[in-house]
Amino acid sequence: QVQLVQSGAEVKKPGASVRVSCKASGYSFTSCYIHWVRQAPGQRLEWMGWINPVNGNTRYSQKFQGRVTLTRDTSASTAYMELTSLTSEDTGLYYCARDYFGSAYNYFDPWGQGTLITVSS
Amino acid sequence: EIVMTQSPATLSVSPGERATLSCRASQSVSNSLAWYQQNPGQAPRLLIYGASTRATGIPARFGGSGSGTEFTLTISSLQSEDFAVYYCQQYSNWPLAFGGGTKVEI
Repeated sequence: QVQLVQSGAEVKKPGASVRVSCKASGYSFTSCYIHWVRQAPGQRLEWMGWINPVNGNTRYSQKFQGRVTLTRDTSASTAYMELTSLTSEDTGLYYCARDYFGSAYNYFDPWGQGTLITVSS
Repeated sequence: EIVMTQSPATLSVSPGERATLSCRASQSVSNSLAWYQQNPGQAPRLLIYGASTRATGIPARFGGSGSGTEFTLTISSLQSEDFAVYYCQQYSNWPLAFGGGTKVEI
């Protein structure tokens, strides 16, 4: 079945960077955009950006522009999200999710299991 | 930037009853509206897209309606597995945006 499996939880200090991986299986990795969504404690879900696995093209939310970088490794069917200059406000669950129909239809299913990022000194 | 507002924040219902959840957009999103269900400790799951089209495998008791700025998710007869948090999401404009969620509880 279609599945996205994310890397494990991380604890980072303020100012550090973090990279989360998202390995896809059960479908052709290059057929569907991958989105990233954040769920901070007590906050609503926030869309961060998407990557087109075919060519690596990306689109980012202005809120995260300049701090987030989405990349992919097609040979490993894996997408990556790197977030820099971390602060305590970046603490939360980070999800990757597949674009439902493929090319930036911009609604998502399935989702990865989530990766908890904790930023603390 | 479009702001999505969901109401109520919490909805208390009994199994077998009907639940009606609302989502309002700060400006028109046409029918570019999706609904998700999130059970505790799990990732969200797509229920509805295009305001009213059920995603693959979603039971017929889930129904979506509305267009423009006002949308509704109806669960016709609540089952035990339906007690969860529900989010709406607009995909008409950038940035994509979610509502704050409605928790459906017993």
